[in-house]
Amino acid sequence: GAGVSQTPSNKVTEKGKYVELRCDPISGHTALYWYRQSLGQGPEFLIYFQGTGAADDSGLPNDRFFAVRPEGSVSTLKIQRTERGDSAVYLCASSEDSYNEQFFGPGTRLTVL
Amino acid sequence: GEDVEQSLFLSVREGDSSVINCTYTDSSSTYLYWYKQEPGAGLQLLTYIFSNMDMKQDQRLTVLLNKKDKHLSLRIADTQTGDSAIYFCAEMRSNDYKLSFGAGTTVTVRA
Repeated sequence: GAGVSQTPSNKVTEKGKYVELRCDPISGHTALYWYRQSLGQGPEFLIYFQGTGAADDSGLPNDRFFAVRPEGSVSTLKIQRTERGDSAVYLCASSEDSYNEQFFGPGTRLTVL
Repeated sequence: GEDVEQSLFLSVREGDSSVINCTYTDSSSTYLYWYKQEPGAGLQLLTYIFSNMDMKQDQRLTVLLNKKDKHLSLRIADTQTGDSAIYFCAEMRSNDYKLSFGAGTTVTVRA
């Protein structure tokens, strides 16, 4: 079956702009996670959804970051007033339920100039 | 993540065994994972071990867990050029669902 997909694969934007990153989880997976991977580092947790609700957004770095999952499937990570320090690969993962194996998408590489 | 530490680089000759080491700090970790990341690709789960086990073998992969020392290792037998990648150790703590990753070990397989 299809895995986790993310679009776009690459996004280049200018400082101060708004961006949206999309994640399509594996069909039927109720849990969805966003992680951020900076160069030379391991992924760091941002936010976790169980169904439509954000069960844990403790990893979001500040209020410029927001994510939604309105129908419990596709999720969008939104970043306002982007800064150069936001440049990273944003990874999405989904699992059948919490505590199950997390399947990762290929990521979106965000570059803020 | 600061709670999971790995050595950054490993160079190994094709056909030899590779051993990648990881230490973690949270004794409540329930699952420990090894992920592989190839250039431009997402993370691929290789194997995992539950905290009440001390060893798990899966074809060329052997995971060893020393809970007392909070040390995890991944051994790859008969290392091939296709094994060149970054390997991440990750922990999932008790009653948690998010993964905490190490910085990754870059494995280079030379002919």
